[in-house]
Amino acid sequence: GAGVSQSPSNKVTEKGKDVELRCDPISGHTALYWYRQSLGQGLEFLIYFQGNSAPDKSGLPSDRFSAERTGGSVSTLTIQRTQQEDSAVYLCASNPGQGNYGYTFGSGTRLTVV
Amino acid sequence: GENVEQHPSTLSVQEGDSAVIKCTYSDSASNYFPWYKQELGKRPQLIIDIRSNVGEKKDQRIAVTLNKTAKHFSLHITETQPEDSAVYFCAASGGTSYGKLTFGQGTILTVHP
Repeated sequence: GAGVSQSPSNKVTEKGKDVELRCDPISGHTALYWYRQSLGQGLEFLIYFQGNSAPDKSGLPSDRFSAERTGGSVSTLTIQRTQQEDSAVYLCASNPGQGNYGYTFGSGTRLTVV
Repeated sequence: GENVEQHPSTLSVQEGDSAVIKCTYSDSASNYFPWYKQELGKRPQLIIDIRSNVGEKKDQRIAVTLNKTAKHFSLHITETQPEDSAVYFCAASGGTSYGKLTFGQGTILTVHP
């Protein structure tokens, strides 16, 4: 696609429920990233996929968080048993990979846990 | 891993003045340094970047300088305008963080008309 697409744009969920956030990167981009941005805060790294390599999961805050990337394209970030502190904007980004490049970010999913 | 520190956290200037935001990084092997602008409620967007083989890069009213010896880089905005008001993030990658950006904490820039 022309840009990085994320869905849903907004998600309100009850504490304890599971949620799935979707990211569709720019076509041909082999690198895909998930970041989290709490209100008024910086960009917290969560996970990084590069081609067929094992993902870098070093930023996932707990085992309630997981992500997968199917077919080297679309990625899904899953948060199980959501907590109020999970409320944030979840940003996905992609780049061509195979080197150091800037990211193109999606518009994000605003997650609110009530 | 890489650690990026950004200062100041807030910056207020009058329209037409210059603004400077500074970042330091910890990994001497880092070699790519982008800057992002995030307007309220919007996604971060890349505005300029620099690689370690150059010391300065300009694009109209914005410029970035890099001092590899001191491990710091700066964003310079000249002739600021109200539409420059946003949060600016610096980042670094390379070395132990190859392919993955580590971001600074952000600077809230306010340009007063």
